[in-house]
Amino acid sequence: NAGVTQTPKFQVLKTGQSMTLQCAQDMNHNSMYWYRQDPGMGLRLIYYSASEGTTDKGEVPNGYNVSRLNKREFSLRLESAAPSQTSVYFCASSEPYRKDQPQHFGDGTRLSIL
Amino acid sequence: GEDVEQSLFLSVREGDSSVINCTYTDSSSTYLYWYKQEPGAGLQLLTYIFSNMDMKQDQRLTVLLNKKDKHLSLRIADTQTGDSAIYFCAESKGGTGGFKTIFGAGTRLFVKA
Repeated sequence: NAGVTQTPKFQVLKTGQSMTLQCAQDMNHNSMYWYRQDPGMGLRLIYYSASEGTTDKGEVPNGYNVSRLNKREFSLRLESAAPSQTSVYFCASSEPYRKDQPQHFGDGTRLSIL
Repeated sequence: GEDVEQSLFLSVREGDSSVINCTYTDSSSTYLYWYKQEPGAGLQLLTYIFSNMDMKQDQRLTVLLNKKDKHLSLRIADTQTGDSAIYFCAESKGGTGGFKTIFGAGTRLFVKA
């Protein structure tokens, strides 16, 4: 009963390095999301994928790219990491065609950019 | 506008009731949610209320919705130390590409033994 799985759980990068955060869900949900969580600011949406084959920008997309690899997997890429991207990143999924369905979250990736 | 506002901290004694408040701005919101985040974990849904309801009770949790004032509250009865966590209020509404969820900044609940 895995739900939403994120890897890695922790990562430290140097400024300018690139990396991809992985997310997979086993609930057959159509929609997937990437958020960042910063102290006092709640969750801010970076990108989302309403369904397989589509991706859209959220509130804070600059510096990130995403790929909806298949229905299960949605990855987030930092091409050239900056200290301002130090944050906790959460992936979530939901079934949008049932509007009472909440989002299901992974446990997060704690990313530090030095 | 799309803002969900919550106070950042609340401290209560074990056994007391906790009341966490939230205000939102979008009257077209269809569902309003309360999520709980424990240290080192993601958010988990606690409860939710449909916008045409005034109140929902689920064991120790009571959600009150004042749609006129756009005010949502979560009451936790007999608060326990295990209730210490961050509580997020969120609103959801339909839009292109499915339903969009807007989260508040979270209220950190401290429970003193």
